[in-house]
Amino acid sequence: KAGVTQTPRYLIKTRGQQVTLSCSPISGHRSVSWYQQTPGQGLQFLFEYFSETQRNKGNFPGRFSGRQFSNSRSEMNVSTLELGDSALYLCASSLGVRGSYGYTFGSGTRLTVV
Amino acid sequence: AQKITQTQPGMFVQEKEAVTLDCTYDTSDPSYGLFWYKQPSSGEMIFLIYQGSYDQQNATEGRYSLNFQKARKSANLVISASQLGDSAMYFCAMRDDRGGGSEKLVFGKGTKLTVNP
Repeated sequence: KAGVTQTPRYLIKTRGQQVTLSCSPISGHRSVSWYQQTPGQGLQFLFEYFSETQRNKGNFPGRFSGRQFSNSRSEMNVSTLELGDSALYLCASSLGVRGSYGYTFGSGTRLTVV
Repeated sequence: AQKITQTQPGMFVQEKEAVTLDCTYDTSDPSYGLFWYKQPSSGEMIFLIYQGSYDQQNATEGRYSLNFQKARKSANLVISASQLGDSAMYFCAMRDDRGGGSEKLVFGKGTKLTVNP
């Protein structure tokens, strides 16, 4: 069974540009959550999508947005990139129903803003 | 608001010995779930073990066990018989299980475990 696929793995962007990251969940999973990981702030929740609807949102500026498609694939977009947006972006997929199972994470997209 | 505290930035253990990684949490919610994840240098988060707030027994998964002390709000991870491959960052996380269905996780800052041969 294929895992969670995040593309691209690495990305270098210039300040002011925008970027789109993609996350393909495990087949049959309907929920995708996004996290930002930085050395200073650690792992922070960005947003969560379930059946194409945003179910929860973290405390990030409006430059961070996301969406989920009918096949459960999700994208997140960051506009007007800042140096502080450099981070590892991780997505996690699940069935969408809380349980005792752990969430499956992708390998992440490492974004560097220069 | 939920908060996870991991007070050990780094831990060292000899191969084949047991090690305990500390995690304390703060929440006013009666229903929550606690998770431990391992993150090797490759970056992927690997699920290790789960404990529900209403579970009466401590969770175990192979060499991993969770020492759950609800009154103290602690959920320490115990790794028995450490292996060199256990060297990684370890994160404790909490999920609020009140209504709404959200599966948002709140993570601690992590503990870097190094297993020495």
